[in-house]
Amino acid sequence: EVQLVESGGGLVQPGGSLRLSCAASGFTFSSSWMSWVRQAPGKGLEWVAYINQDGSVTSYVDSVKGRFTISRDNTKNSLYLQMNSVRAEDTAVYYCARAGAYCSGGTCRTRFDYWGQGTLLTVSS
Amino acid sequence: DIQMTQSPSSLSASVGDKVTITCRASHSVSTFLNWYQQKPGKAPKVLIYGASSLESEVPSRFSGSGSGTDFTLTISSLQPDDYATYYCQQSYNSPLTFGRGTKVEIK
Repeated sequence: EVQLVESGGGLVQPGGSLRLSCAASGFTFSSSWMSWVRQAPGKGLEWVAYINQDGSVTSYVDSVKGRFTISRDNTKNSLYLQMNSVRAEDTAVYYCARAGAYCSGGTCRTRFDYWGQGTLLTVSS
Repeated sequence: DIQMTQSPSSLSASVGDKVTITCRASHSVSTFLNWYQQKPGKAPKVLIYGASSLESEVPSRFSGSGSGTDFTLTISSLQPDDYATYYCQQSYNSPLTFGRGTKVEIK
């Protein structure tokens, strides 16, 4: 059974730092692209970042560039999101998601086929 | 960035109704368009990937169509378990972007 279990959320003051973790099991983690997706209270989904299988490729939404860092440890089947200089607008449930690949016409892209239960980050003084 | 526009933002329908949700991309995403269902307090679940491919174990009453900029998610016969919010998402390029969601409510 595939499981993604996030941890590390909590209450942080504006400007503070926090690291989210995601423990993966039930699939070959080291062969999978992974992402973080967030959802502010009562709002829609927002992709935050992704990382490729060996960590050599990362990408971020503009609003977190330079503040958040996605990383992984394939020996521990774990995904991380280091969040620095957090702002009130970063308040959200953060989901860890596997980006499962599919291909069409020789080009491959992904969909988020497995999700964790989410961990809540609240940024407030 | 590619903007994803869903319509309607909400709808009311009865069990057994056919429901159609549309998603329009600001630029062509080819067929790299995915659909998700989310229930309150739960993580999203992928229904359709590649515009029209049904994810494993998703009921066949769900179907997707479209290419380029215009896409449709159809529920052929709405069931009680289908009351939820539905999101489209493009995976054509970064930043990956979602539509703002369509909430399907009980009529």
